[in-house]
Amino acid sequence: QSVLAQPPSSSGTPGQRVTISCSGGSSNIGSNYVDWYQQVPGTAPKLLIYRNNQRPLGVPDRFSGSKSGTSASLAISGLRSEDEADYYCAAWDDSQSGRVFGGGTKLTVL
Amino acid sequence: EVVLVESGGGLVKPGGSLRLSCAASGFTFRNVWMSWVRQTPGKGLEWVGRIKSEIDGGPTEYAAPVKGRFTISRDDSKKTLYLHMNSLKTEDTALYYCTTQYSSSSLGYMDVWGNGTTVIVS
Repeated sequence: QSVLAQPPSSSGTPGQRVTISCSGGSSNIGSNYVDWYQQVPGTAPKLLIYRNNQRPLGVPDRFSGSKSGTSASLAISGLRSEDEADYYCAAWDDSQSGRVFGGGTKLTVL
Repeated sequence: EVVLVESGGGLVKPGGSLRLSCAASGFTFRNVWMSWVRQTPGKGLEWVGRIKSEIDGGPTEYAAPVKGRFTISRDDSKKTLYLHMNSLKTEDTALYYCTTQYSSSSLGYMDVWGNGTTVIVS
């Protein structure tokens, strides 16, 4: 059972906009930044969003992040086949004094 | 090029020990905080722990499932991070990544992961 809750799966068609949610609590998302990762099977996770809504250099602006209270969301617009991957949210948890991850959302591009 | 390379994984019996290494290059290793994250086959990501830079100081932090059994250390002169694992359990079987996040004046915010090293406890 992950501390941060994500839907196990999501899907969309090319060109569509999809949103992946991440729900936590006051000790993690409610009081700390949220990061989002993309992981293609067989490869290491890649940072898409840091500090709730910032994109590292090289990440397309099709990817955006937001946070409100104890929940966060990752939005992907103009969906492409290469976006098919697993997506994870992460945040520091003050009560656990550790970083916590969501269980991951498998995104399928139909 | 910024690179992290893990090594030291393998097959070990329950109760055994193993030491993982993570060799860093392409950035100022001594200035950054380093972490270990593991991933069980077919499952999600789990934070193992982190060690701060010497200049920042402070305690090394561990996830509850590994606290008291795992120890993270670093050798800044060798630009190498270590994960000493004792009293291994079958549930420690995973792919272990070393990772770091830092801000670069030229490259912006950096989040670096190695390719991982596999530990099988059986």
